[in-house]
Amino acid sequence: EPEVTQTPSHQVTQMGQEVILRCVPISNHLYFYWYRQILGQKVEFLVSFYNNEISEKSEIFDDQFSVERPDGSNFTLKIRSTKLEDSAMYFCASSGATSGRNEQFFGPGTRLTVL
Amino acid sequence: KQEVTQIPAALSVPEGENLVLNCSFTDSAIYNLQWFRQDPGKGLTSLLLIQSSQREQTSGRLNASLDKSSGRSTLYIAASQPGDSATYLCAAYSGTYKYIFGTGTRLKVLA
Repeated sequence: EPEVTQTPSHQVTQMGQEVILRCVPISNHLYFYWYRQILGQKVEFLVSFYNNEISEKSEIFDDQFSVERPDGSNFTLKIRSTKLEDSAMYFCASSGATSGRNEQFFGPGTRLTVL
Repeated sequence: KQEVTQIPAALSVPEGENLVLNCSFTDSAIYNLQWFRQDPGKGLTSLLLIQSSQREQTSGRLNASLDKSSGRSTLYIAASQPGDSATYLCAAYSGTYKYIFGTGTRLKVLA
């Protein structure tokens, strides 16, 4: 059964460093998403991506964040200069083509720890 | 703006009990509602997806219902087992390119 994969499973970085979180969505999906979950809090939407551009972004997704689909299979989230409050579990998701029936399939997550 | 809440926040039951988890959403114009399970420190496991045109979905001991007009969904777990212990999340998709998640119900089933 196809699944969304994410690497790495755990990333530790120093404050101010750049990190790139990687995701491989399900191959025939067209919509891609990033969510995050700070420990003990709810899962929050960050950004959605379709047709090589951002469809929607939350107020969390400021200029420090960017997304890219560099090669037609990977979908990446870059944080330019990490802050302590960026420590969270980051989930990638993808969904298919039929509008209004979008079941999103989630990856296992990347735990980001900023020291 | 869609808001999703879940009650109760935590629940502890003896093994074998049937239980109901509740999810409320403020905007009834949803396309679908999805229930997830999350084990501590782990990812999201999809349990059931209910499309807006459906009233309920069943998978094994799990049954989810959807009442759009009242802004509610329930997850019914029959004959609970210790292995069901986890946090259960509901998420509403309103077609604005994102899921809005609830705060979750932390379930503990005692052996």
